[in-house]
Amino acid sequence: KQEVTQIPAALSVPEGENLVLNCSFTDSAIYNLQWFRQDPGKGLTSLLLIQSSQREQTSGRLNASLDKSSGRSTLYIAASQPGDSATYLCAESATNKLIFGTGTLLAVQP
Amino acid sequence: NAGVTQTPKFQVLKTGQSMTLQCAQDMNHNSMYWYRQDPGMGLRLIYYSASEGTTDKGEVPNGYNVSRLNKREFSLRLESAAPSQTSVYFCASSGFWDETQYFGPGTRLLVL
Repeated sequence: KQEVTQIPAALSVPEGENLVLNCSFTDSAIYNLQWFRQDPGKGLTSLLLIQSSQREQTSGRLNASLDKSSGRSTLYIAASQPGDSATYLCAESATNKLIFGTGTLLAVQP
Repeated sequence: NAGVTQTPKFQVLKTGQSMTLQCAQDMNHNSMYWYRQDPGMGLRLIYYSASEGTTDKGEVPNGYNVSRLNKREFSLRLESAAPSQTSVYFCASSGFWDETQYFGPGTRLLVL
């Protein structure tokens, strides 16, 4: 059964710190991997999508990497800000269906 | 351009009652999805529709039915609600060339 794991479940950092969120998956036939942000009581907002043929994607202060051989993806957030506080979810895709991790709750302290 | 919209935003049902959750997208996407989100369980796929006229079961389809009414609309129906269906329900859509899934704001359902 495909599984996606995110560690840690929660993380608190001071403003300005660079941080890494981790995502591991069991499906070696991954099609793509997506990172989302979810604010409390809201829907999911897509941050980055990495195709299986790619190794990383960047958007502003965010950089996501993908290592299929080890079954891992990381989301790097540079110079964190209080506005980055949210739950971050990764999801791996095989045949057009997403399998989600349970997320990392990030709190950036001013 | 509203993206993905869902109605209602919040609903309270009694056990055994039925209801339909509505979802619409204005991005001309082929694929649409219904997920439920529960604490500690993450998001789980209920049903999806790869194109107009087709629907397929996801991970947790029992107790639900769906209808892809047209390319824009994808509804989720609970025929006889159970307390175990208390959850937050999200609709999402994706295009043929852009596989990014775009989510609606969610429907919070409480079954008593």
